[in-house]
Amino acid sequence: DIVMTQSPDSLAVSLGERATINCKSSQSVLYSSNNRNYLAWYQQKPGQPPKLLIYWASTRESGVPDRFSGSGSGTDFTLTINSLQAEDVAVYYCQQYYTISLTFGQGTKVEAK
Amino acid sequence: EVQLLESGGGLVQPGGSLRLSCAASGFTFSSYAMTWVRQTPEKGLEWLSSISGTGGSTYYADSVKGRFTISRDNSKNTLYLQLNSLRAEDTAIYHCAKERDSSGHYYGYFDYWGQGTVVTVSS
Repeated sequence: DIVMTQSPDSLAVSLGERATINCKSSQSVLYSSNNRNYLAWYQQKPGQPPKLLIYWASTRESGVPDRFSGSGSGTDFTLTINSLQAEDVAVYYCQQYYTISLTFGQGTKVEAK
Repeated sequence: EVQLLESGGGLVQPGGSLRLSCAASGFTFSSYAMTWVRQTPEKGLEWLSSISGTGGSTYYADSVKGRFTISRDNSKNTLYLQLNSLRAEDTAIYHCAKERDSSGHYYGYFDYWGQGTVVTVSS
């Protein structure tokens, strides 16, 4: 299975500041035939299921604020939250769908400083 | 509005069985692959099984292959997961999730998740 490793495990960011979460896969999730990275990001708040933020590594899901952005390719990816808002406090997960056996990162907890 | 409502969880003894259901509404159920994912504080999110829109293709994690069976009834807009030979390590919240892509094929990224149903395996 592809191992997804996120860093850091947690971070505290002042409201209005930028939060950056990294995700590294143990093998490339870039499919050369279509040049797409099979990587998604989710947000999960307490007591709620995960919510899709980003797919194909950088495509923002409909309705997701544009302060959320995804970047990266191959094995290294980043989720950036520009100007953190109080409602962004949550755990964030990356997930690869390059292989049938999907795998998730361990999660990064974002808190407001 | 898309809704996914899981049911069927509960307390079961090791070696026992359960059948989970996921009632879907608000979209054309047969057009979408569906998936089961479980979550624990220790292991986080773990993909278990997926099924294509027609039900003709199924996929399983090695950890549950041979013990769990995914199925769907498109006439009832319902997804199922049969859990057999349950172990303590199967204790988790079980979520169903809807594939975002509308082709009916399984890609593996999900735009809607249910709240989950809790399965506890203990004697």
